[in-house]
Amino acid sequence: AQSVTQLGSHVSVSEGALVLLRCNYSSSVPPYLFWYVQYPNQGLQLLLKYTTGATLVKGINGFEAEFKKSETSFHLTKPSAHMSDAAEYFCAVSALGETSGSRLTFGEGTQLTVNP
Amino acid sequence: EPEVTQTPSHQVTQMGQEVILRCVPISNHLYFYWYRQILGQKVEFLVSFYNNEISEKSEIFDDQFSVERPDGSNFTLKIRSTKLEDSAMYFCASKPDQSYGYTFGSGTRLTVV
Repeated sequence: AQSVTQLGSHVSVSEGALVLLRCNYSSSVPPYLFWYVQYPNQGLQLLLKYTTGATLVKGINGFEAEFKKSETSFHLTKPSAHMSDAAEYFCAVSALGETSGSRLTFGEGTQLTVNP
Repeated sequence: EPEVTQTPSHQVTQMGQEVILRCVPISNHLYFYWYRQILGQKVEFLVSFYNNEISEKSEIFDDQFSVERPDGSNFTLKIRSTKLEDSAMYFCASKPDQSYGYTFGSGTRLTVV
């Protein structure tokens, strides 16, 4: 079974400041990890994913995340926030290879506010 | 870029009525999913579908729910007798194989009154 914990349901940053959204996961098998973004009244858009290989993954819109197995973390960062980054962000885990299939288990989400 | 298309974008229905939510996955994708998001809550898995059958379902996906891929392109979610607590955003998703991320549709907002 898998689970995801996102620390902080609301994060507020100033435009140009570092964005750090925290995600910790639990998985009984090697995980596949994802970050999705949801703008108001829209669907889920994939920002980036970690499957295997390089632990630092780069995504769209300048976001990146680092898989740290020892810390069971997959935090999302962006060096400089832009007003258009304001949205809800979801971390998700999938444990491929299990007989339970490849369902995504989502965290509670973090609402990012960017202040001018 | 290929998209997953969901219709309708909004649906209002009376309690006890049947609803069918429609999805057109990306054409070369093989795995299909429904998720839902109750307002203010996290996205929850409902069901996965592969090779014309359900491969996994959650505890939410009870006998009131069914899925179908009637014509090789559409993928539908039917709720037989809607309850107030079925009000949510329903997302369809697809992917080509198990090693890729999902592509989600923009969702259908279902309101049961």
